[in-house]
Amino acid sequence: QVQLVESGGGVVQPGGSLRLSCAASGFTFSSYGMHWVRQAPGKGLEWLALIQYDGRNKYYADSVKGRFTISRDNSKNTLYLQMNSLRVEDTSVYYCAKDRVPIAMRSAGFHYWGQGTRLAVSS
Amino acid sequence: DIVMTQTPLSLPVTPGEPASISCRSSQSLFDSDTGNIYLDWYLQKPGRSPQLLIYTLSYRASGVPDRFSGSGSGTDFTLKISRVEAEDVGVYYCMQRIEFPLTFGGGTKVEIK
Repeated sequence: QVQLVESGGGVVQPGGSLRLSCAASGFTFSSYGMHWVRQAPGKGLEWLALIQYDGRNKYYADSVKGRFTISRDNSKNTLYLQMNSLRVEDTSVYYCAKDRVPIAMRSAGFHYWGQGTRLAVSS
Repeated sequence: DIVMTQTPLSLPVTPGEPASISCRSSQSLFDSDTGNIYLDWYLQKPGRSPQLLIYTLSYRASGVPDRFSGSGSGTDFTLKISRVEAEDVGVYYCMQRIEFPLTFGGGTKVEIK
């Protein structure tokens, strides 16, 4: 079955960097677009980034553009989110999510989600 | 960016009764090239990751009970639960994916009366 397992969260000081990982299994990873979505404590969902199945195209929310970088290693079935210049307002649970349709040029919705990894940005 | 507005913020429901959640977008989510409306619904049960309920306005995701249905036009959308069950509690989110950035509504918390 499809499994997405995020890791890499923790406590970071403002201005710091961190890389999140999402290990995927149970499906052909290289055929699906992958997303990062976050949820601040007690708040709603915020989409952050999409990387298409082949890694060629990436899209970002304005709130993280220029600070966060989404990437993937299809040989390792792993999705990444490099986060730089972290701010207190980046404190959230970060989810990776698998797109619903393979080899899609646009997102088809988030079919599976990981359990999330927590990031706290605090001095 | 497309702003998604959900109402109500909170919805107390009685098991066995119907329930309805509204979502409005600041721009049309209708794609004239495909004829599709790119609006999805998600449910986040307490302490859990979100799950996909409805995609492309009205298609139920696999495993979603048929008591859930989605409808709407270009900017106004509705998620209906025909007969609420206790397991349906949680926060419901609408999301548009017609253009980037993808944006969610603020959420509607459904709880049992």
